[in-house]
Amino acid sequence: AQKITQTQPGMFVQEKEAVTLDCTYDTSDPSYGLFWYKQPSSGEMIFLIYQGSYDQQNATEGRYSLNFQKARKSANLVISASQLGDSAMYFCAMREGANQFYFGTGTSLTVIP
Amino acid sequence: AAGVIQSPRHLIKEKRETATLKCYPIPRHDTVYWYQQGPGQDPQFLISFYEKMQSDKGSIPDRFSAQQFSDYHSELNMSSLELGDSALYFCASSLELAHEQFFGPGTRLTVL
Repeated sequence: AQKITQTQPGMFVQEKEAVTLDCTYDTSDPSYGLFWYKQPSSGEMIFLIYQGSYDQQNATEGRYSLNFQKARKSANLVISASQLGDSAMYFCAMREGANQFYFGTGTSLTVIP
Repeated sequence: AAGVIQSPRHLIKEKRETATLKCYPIPRHDTVYWYQQGPGQDPQFLISFYEKMQSDKGSIPDRFSAQQFSDYHSELNMSSLELGDSALYFCASSLELAHEQFFGPGTRLTVL
C-alpha cells in the first residue's frame, strides 16, 4: 500500500487565490511526522511546513498552513494568496519511525496571472 | 547560513562503471539522508545515518553502499552502474528527529 497518496497530479490556481493540495497517508505508527516540500523547476527541494502526529494545532508558516485531520489520515497543504513564484512541484512526505521517509508522487501547481 | 553541499553537481558515467557522490551536511547536523529521484518521479529514500551509524535503510540497491565519516560527511558509492540509475541524488541533513530536513542541491547522475 502507498504510504503517501497525492491524488492531484496537476492543479491550477489564479494569482492571489487560495489553493488546497491534498495528501493522505497510511501508517500504524502512533508517532510520525508529516512534511510538505516545494520543488521548483530548478530542482532544489525546499521545506515548507511540518506537522507532528501529536500536535493538537494545525501548523502554519506564513502563507502555508497544514489542514491536519488525524482520524481521516489527511494532511492537506493550503497556500493562501498564491503568487506566480508558487508554481512548482509540491511533495507531501511522512517520517515514520526514527528516520524512514516516504514521499508522495507530487502535485504540479501552476499559478495563472 | 551554511547549507548542505553535494559534489559533484553533475556526473556522467558509462554502464558498469562506479560513481561516488559526496555530501557535506550543515555544521552540527548529525543525521544524513540519501534520496534518489528519477525523471518525473518522487524522491525515494535510500538510506540514512545518525552519528556515523546506519539509521534506516530504504530502497537502496545492493550495488550501492554508503557511509558517514567522523566529520559527518557522507559518501554514496554506486557500482556496476545501470542506465536506470540515471537520476537526481539528493542528500539531506538534520538534527536527529528534528522537524526539518535540509536538502542539498542534488547530484544529477547520467549513465550512458
